[in-house]
Amino acid sequence: RKEVEQDPGPFNVPEGATVAFNCTYSNSASQSFFWYRQDCRKEPKLLMSVYSSGNEDGRFTAQLNRASQYISLLIRDSKLSDSATYLCVVNRPGGKLIFGQGTELSVKP
Amino acid sequence: GAVVSQHPSWVICKSGTSVKIECRSLDFQATTMFWYRQFPKQSLMLMATSNEGSKATYEQGVEKDKFLINHASLTLSTLTVTSAHPEDSSFYICSASPTDRIAYEQYFGPGTRLTVT
Repeated sequence: RKEVEQDPGPFNVPEGATVAFNCTYSNSASQSFFWYRQDCRKEPKLLMSVYSSGNEDGRFTAQLNRASQYISLLIRDSKLSDSATYLCVVNRPGGKLIFGQGTELSVKP
Repeated sequence: GAVVSQHPSWVICKSGTSVKIECRSLDFQATTMFWYRQFPKQSLMLMATSNEGSKATYEQGVEKDKFLINHASLTLSTLTVTSAHPEDSSFYICSASPTDRIAYEQYFGPGTRLTVT
């Protein structure tokens, strides 16, 4: 079983749609959680950290359920520029970041 | 701030040769740097953790004699792919963690695309 698993993609949605990504992790010792965005042939960029209380940044909302070892990302009013691969990331003690396989999002006009 | 560079950005080499990739933190010091590899349509896979002044720690399944890591200063780590083969063709990305920050705060370099012919 992979340490971090995400929804298989790709997700193809129209502009303005709301889309949700799910992620589960297996290591209960994981301490911190993140969503990264990766554009084609580029390095990943931090989108947002994920906190137990849930957090929001504009159109993006992240949730964490430690009991279920589940992380989610909700994107509202999606834009063409949101098209990218979204990576669920957890950290192990010592700072190691473990990446999920990514979910590709394509927003169409 | 917190810029990480990699050099080269892309390289093509012949099978059997060695390739060195540099990772530099430009405006901060990084005691710890990480090296990742990403194959097409797959996610980043952590290869090794590089600590300044000490030996790198490799993830399971990564050959330390094939992927030589040197972290000689607080701003530079190098990855050398020795005796490269076509199956080593991949996107290699480094990240650096500022010395004065928590370990999981990492900044990524732009990556190096290696093609072995």
